[in-house]
Amino acid sequence: EAQVTQNPRYLITVTGKKLTVTCSQNMNHEYMSWYRQDPGLGLRQIYYSMNVEVTDKGDVPEGYKVSRKEKRNFPLILESPSPNQTSLYFCASRVPGLAYNEQFFGPGTRLTVL
Amino acid sequence: GDSVTQMEGPVTLSEEACLTINCTYTATGYPSLFWYVQYPGEGLQLLLKATKADDKGSNKGFEATYRKETTSFHLEKGSVQVSDSAVYFCALSDDTGRRALTFGSGTRLQVQP
Repeated sequence: EAQVTQNPRYLITVTGKKLTVTCSQNMNHEYMSWYRQDPGLGLRQIYYSMNVEVTDKGDVPEGYKVSRKEKRNFPLILESPSPNQTSLYFCASRVPGLAYNEQFFGPGTRLTVL
Repeated sequence: GDSVTQMEGPVTLSEEACLTINCTYTATGYPSLFWYVQYPGEGLQLLLKATKADDKGSNKGFEATYRKETTSFHLEKGSVQVSDSAVYFCALSDDTGRRALTFGSGTRLQVQP
């Protein structure tokens, strides 16, 4: 089954404790992206990756890092989480070869930073 | 920059009622437009799309028409079901290298039996 998976699905942590949210897709997509969803703001892009070893900032990159060492994986790293990073996070990958920008989304990771 | 504005929710309807969720956008160029749906506890799924002016996207009884003159992409359904209860997001596509989707704030639909 074609899918984007994220782990963990739920995480409660404390300020300053480094964490990683993993994202994996089994569709051999080159493009992957991270979004955060906040009430009243919709989804905003954090980082994206056009391919292995190619990453760039989205609209709200502050406080986040990413890496893309393999095509299937795109982890999101919070080196020193703060309460304003409490949010619902979605990983997505883009369907290649289409004239339009269709993206597959993972199930989301709900992060709470105390 | 690009932006999407959609109506505030929640929208509460009885089963078989008509639905309209308004969406307007601001963008340079000619973006593609999308409606995504998020069911409780799940990620977003593409519901329908339109890639150029006057295109009509449709899926599962939902429709939306890309209106360039009014910069709108309103979502409509003639008869909603309880199973349509979800959050609906209007989005436009950045067709440059960043390939970002710009989302509206989402509209929660609650359909009562």
